[in-house]
Amino acid sequence: NAGVTQTPKFRILKIGQSMTLQCTQDMNHNYMYWYRQDPGMGLKLIYYSVGAGITDKGEVPNGYNVSRSTTEDFPLRLELAAPSQTSVYFCASSAKDRGDYSPLHFGNGTRLTVT
Amino acid sequence: GESVGLHLPTLSVQEGDNSIINCAYSNSASDYFIWYKQESGKGPQFIIDIRSNMDKRQGQRVTVLLNKTVKHLSLQIAATQPGDSAVYFCAENRKGGGNKLTFGTGTQLKVEL
Repeated sequence: NAGVTQTPKFRILKIGQSMTLQCTQDMNHNYMYWYRQDPGMGLKLIYYSVGAGITDKGEVPNGYNVSRSTTEDFPLRLELAAPSQTSVYFCASSAKDRGDYSPLHFGNGTRLTVT
Repeated sequence: GESVGLHLPTLSVQEGDNSIINCAYSNSASDYFIWYKQESGKGPQFIIDIRSNMDKRQGQRVTVLLNKTVKHLSLQIAATQPGDSAVYFCAENRKGGGNKLTFGTGTQLKVEL
């Protein structure tokens, strides 16, 4: 099991560019999440999904979009990159069987810099 | 609003000593708590969790204590090792919350040889 895999590991974008952060998991988890982590801060939820075809906004969704066409993949799209989106992005997944009491499993993150 | 916070941003301990990392939460509806360890350049790694129907839960070298009366949770690490050096986060959730965890800001644990 690879767990949660994120690509790329690092990326530098110019203001106004767009990109997609990839996330895939091989644990057959129904729930998937995108968090961002700013320096010295905890993680903030951007978007989440409870299954294929279902997505919903988290705490900080502005400037991002997601899709969930398969159980395994949950890409995060930045359309018009802004310096405020400089952060480390973590994808996570959790199993459905324990519902609200299931720990999240995280990937190793994508470090994004917007200049 | 809802928040999960930590008392100390940095904790330094001697190798072999026990470490105690504290966390306060403000949402009285929270009923599930998790501790994560994050090493530099990596994603958070699950350590241990506890539900609100328990006061204490033990794992390998780690113990989580939950005091619902004062909305406080702690992580105890026995015989702290250099490999325990990392940032530790507490996170909380509540039934009906859709398993969307709320994270604290983290405590940096430094193990001195």
